[in-house]
Order: sequence, then C-alpha cells, then structure tokens
Amino acid sequence: AQSVTQPDIHITVSEGASLELRCNYSYGATPYLFWYVQSPGQGLQLLLKYFSGDTLVQGIKGFEAEFKRSQSSFNLRKPSVHWSDAAEYFCAVGLNQAGTALIFGKGTTLSVSS
Amino acid sequence: GAVVSQHPSRVICKSGTSVKIECRSLDFQATTMFWYRQFPKQSLMLMATSNEGSKATYEQGVEKDKFLINHASLTLSTLTVTSAHPEDSSFYICSARDHRGSSYEQYFGPGTRLTVT
Repeated sequence: AQSVTQPDIHITVSEGASLELRCNYSYGATPYLFWYVQSPGQGLQLLLKYFSGDTLVQGIKGFEAEFKRSQSSFNLRKPSVHWSDAAEYFCAVGLNQAGTALIFGKGTTLSVSS
Repeated sequence: GAVVSQHPSRVICKSGTSVKIECRSLDFQATTMFWYRQFPKQSLMLMATSNEGSKATYEQGVEKDKFLINHASLTLSTLTVTSAHPEDSSFYICSARDHRGSSYEQYFGPGTRLTVT
C-alpha cells in the first residue's frame, strides 16, 4: 500500500538557520508529490509540488524540495528560516489515478527559536 | 488560482443534533471532492471520496450513515454529521480535484472546526 513517512515529529531551528524536513514515500511508480503548511487552526497552504521534469522544485516563501527517485524522498529545504515559518508541515503523495485522494504523512512541527 | 470554500468555518452543536458542512469550488468544476478529518496535532485522514451524481465512497471504518455526503452539483459537496457526539468533534477539511488540463491537482478548503457539546 502507498504510504508517506515523515520521520521527524518535531524540529526546532534557530531563526536564520537552514532547514530540511524529510519525507519518504512508498509507491511503485512516480507519484505526484506535495508539501503543505498548516498554521494552528488554519487550513492547508500548498508550498510546492512535483509532477515531472526538473527534480528540484521551487515553491513559495523561499522553500524548495528535491525529488530523489533512488531514495524515494522529497525533502523540503529552506536556506534561512524566519520566525513566521513556525507551523505544521505535511508531505503528501498523489497517485496518478483520476479520482484518488492525497495520502498525507503524519506531519512535522517546526518551531523557530530566536 | 482555484479556490475552495467551506461553510461554516466553525460550528458548535449539541450532542444528538445534526450539522451540515458545505464545500464549494468557486471558480472551477470538481467532479470529485474529498472529505478529510484531522484530530488535534495529527495528520489528515481521508473519510470519503465524493463524486458528483453518484454515491460517495467511504474509507474503511467511516460510518456512511453517520457522515452523509451529497455531491449534487459540480461545485458543491456537503457533509452532514448526523446525531453528533462529542467524539465527532474535529477539524473537517474538504478538497476538490481540478481535472482541467493534465494535472490532477487538489485544492483544499480552509476547514471547519466542529465542536459537539
């Protein structure tokens, strides 16, 4: 069965430091890959997505992610974290089948220290 | 970009009553919408897939008689929580799949916070 793993439940990063959030997926073919951010009590905001092509994807708010087929990974990165980046981050997989829902990882909580 | 709205954003109801949550795609047609449930500090769990003009497909463990889904038009799906109980309190999020072009991207609503007292 398809699955998404986010190994880190909670990460604390100093403001200005770099960030990498890990995501691994299990799927027989190349899936559609997404990163969403959720602030407390809010809905989901799409940060970036990968469907095909260049494996390094640029997103909003200075985030980027790299798809590595050999590692079944889609890690999210940001070179310099801002205090406003503190939130919950979800990696999700979309299957290449019409009418199928996204499969979400359990999420990583990012805290930013000053 | 594509926008999905949910109404209400927050609702409090008494135990035993029913509450309806609406999910609308505002500027595109969505033949498929999805309903997710999110418990505090947890991930989104798919409840059901809503297809316009047909019965919803429920995930294992989700009671279809308790969570009634109606997808009567290409822009509206509703989730009705019947005979609500405190354990139904949760954050409910819908998404709509845009079938334009070749990308099967989903757009999420802002969520509805349900509190059953």
